[in-house]
Amino acid sequence: DGGITQSPKYLFRKEGQNVTLSCEQNLNHDAMYWYRQDPGQGLRLIYYSQIVNDFQKGDIAEGYSVSREKKESFPLTVTSAQKNPTAFYLCASSIFVRKNEKLFFGSGTQLSVL
Amino acid sequence: AQRVTQPEKLLSVFKGAPVELKCNYSYSGSPELFWYVQYSRQRLQLLLRHISRESIKGFTADLNKGETSFHLKKPFAQEEDSAMYYCALRSDTGNQFYFGTGTSLTVIP
Repeated sequence: DGGITQSPKYLFRKEGQNVTLSCEQNLNHDAMYWYRQDPGQGLRLIYYSQIVNDFQKGDIAEGYSVSREKKESFPLTVTSAQKNPTAFYLCASSIFVRKNEKLFFGSGTQLSVL
Repeated sequence: AQRVTQPEKLLSVFKGAPVELKCNYSYSGSPELFWYVQYSRQRLQLLLRHISRESIKGFTADLNKGETSFHLKKPFAQEEDSAMYYCALRSDTGNQFYFGTGTSLTVIP
């Protein structure tokens, strides 16, 4: 089951702590995304990246940071500034440019606050 | 701003009954619409896309630009259709996907 891999599956954060969620893809996709999934609110876009060393804020970027140093990797850091981090986080990728290209999703990381 | 609305959070139908999951969108350009599905314990995955005009697992969806809708339909629901369904829109100016809040479909045996 290759494609896009998220780790860890479960993560716990203490107050004031930064934590980093990993996302790796071997699909040679240019674009990568981070979504937050909350019950009743669907998927909300945190950050996305269309190319290495470039990324854009989504609708709910406050309290999060990302980097895109390599094409295959797009880690998400949940900083202490994010006051309500408990959620299910999904990473996705897609081929850039081509219309109607679908998103490939990872299996997700459940983040909880201790 | 792009918006995708799925008015029903929960939907229950009996096996063999028709099912329709509603999706409306608000977009100023030429939208690309998709339906994604998440079965229990599985990853979110593409079900179908409007450009393909395809039928997947008996589901179809027609883009109605006049009503700005992309409703998902199936004439005879099956128990294995029980899942979470998300309508999504891709912007034509960038590579952003916007999702609705999802509809949880339960097919009652």
